[in-house]
Amino acid sequence: DAGVTQSPTHLIKTRGQQVTLRCSPKSGHDTVSWYQQALGQGPQFIFQYYEEEERQRGNFPDRFSGHQFPNYSSELNVNALLLGDSALYLCASSLGAGATQETQYFGPGTRLLVL
Amino acid sequence: DQQVKQNSPSLSVQEGRISILNCDYTNSMFDYFLWYKKYPAEGPTFLISISSIKDKNEDGRFTVFLNKSAKHLSLHIVPSQPGDSAVYFCAASAPYSSASKIIFGSGTRLSIRP
Repeated sequence: DAGVTQSPTHLIKTRGQQVTLRCSPKSGHDTVSWYQQALGQGPQFIFQYYEEEERQRGNFPDRFSGHQFPNYSSELNVNALLLGDSALYLCASSLGAGATQETQYFGPGTRLLVL
Repeated sequence: DQQVKQNSPSLSVQEGRISILNCDYTNSMFDYFLWYKKYPAEGPTFLISISSIKDKNEDGRFTVFLNKSAKHLSLHIVPSQPGDSAVYFCAASAPYSSASKIIFGSGTRLSIRP
């Protein structure tokens, strides 16, 4: 049973560019959440997708957008990259938008470096 | 404004002894607290949780204590084992918020030495 998978594992971009990160949820899960973990910090909630719609959003600018596909996989897009966007981006999946925290599974993350 | 704080970036404990990881929070609306463990190149994994109606929750070698008046919680690991070496995140959530919308602390790196 595959867990949460993310691609790519590492990525280097330059300021002003755009990036797309991908996430496949754990088998049987239909809800995907994205987090940003800056160096030396804990993960920060970006947004959650359920039924192909953004359901909850954290305190992130509109440069951060996402998408969920019918197969429940998801993409995180970041436009106009800033140096401060350099971080580990974590995807987490669960069953149902109201799932408890304990039943949320995290992927290994995509490490983004913006130069 | 850090609502969940882990003031010790690192902790080193001898194998077999007790590891105590601390966490403070500022938002009195938080009613559910969790600890996650993270190994390098892996995502955080849920370890143990506690509701604000309790002051202690135990699961095997792991015990979480909650002191609501002090807005403080701690994770005790007894006895500590080499496999416990990881980064530990404390997290909190408020009533009626999405399960995903939890607030994490900055983490404590625990190293278990032989």
